[in-house]
Amino acid sequence: NAGVTQTPKFQVLKTGQSMTLQCAQDMNHNSMYWYRQDPGMGLRLIYYSASEGTTDKGEVPNGYNVSRLNKREFSLRLESAAPSQTSVYFCASSVATVTDSGNTIYFGEGSWLTVV
Amino acid sequence: AQSVAQPEDQVNVAEGNPLTVKCTYSVSGNPYLFWYVQYPNRGLQFLLKYITGDNLVKGSYGFEAEFNKSQTSFHLKKPSALVSDSALYFCAVRGGDTDKLIFGTGTRLQVFP
Repeated sequence: NAGVTQTPKFQVLKTGQSMTLQCAQDMNHNSMYWYRQDPGMGLRLIYYSASEGTTDKGEVPNGYNVSRLNKREFSLRLESAAPSQTSVYFCASSVATVTDSGNTIYFGEGSWLTVV
Repeated sequence: AQSVAQPEDQVNVAEGNPLTVKCTYSVSGNPYLFWYVQYPNRGLQFLLKYITGDNLVKGSYGFEAEFNKSQTSFHLKKPSALVSDSALYFCAVRGGDTDKLIFGTGTRLQVFP
């Protein structure tokens, strides 16, 4: 039972390089999310997708783009990586719709990204 | 705007003693409140949630949390701490009109033998 799977787990980038973090869920969830975790900052929402074909900005969207490729997959792209984007990135998903906010969010295992 | 505060960066407790990890929130409309735990180099694991009904919510691994509307709090508790409970704990809130789940900054729980 895979749940939420994200790749790669570790990545080192040079400043200015681009990369895409991939995420897939096998729980038939409607909503998917990308968070970043930084020491002392908790988790901050980058982008989310309430359903296939829609995406919305979260708290810290600058420097990122997302694609909801289909119901299963939600990718996060860094077009020109900066050292400030060094972080741990988590993909998550939930059944939730706006009218059912009590649904639980389930997380992937994280992607450790270092930009040098 | 919704927000969550976890006032303690770290909580230290002796094994066998009760533990409390504090959380307060601000949200418009009815709150949906969650606790997650994170072990080193792992993702977040769901512990428990409050949606409606009984103010005392029971969750995984013997944890429980008490919803207090007047104090806008949702403190995590456990009657008897274990060394294996040592981890990073996050409180989160979602307002009634959004899919966004907003997290606190986390509290590191250290249980000493």
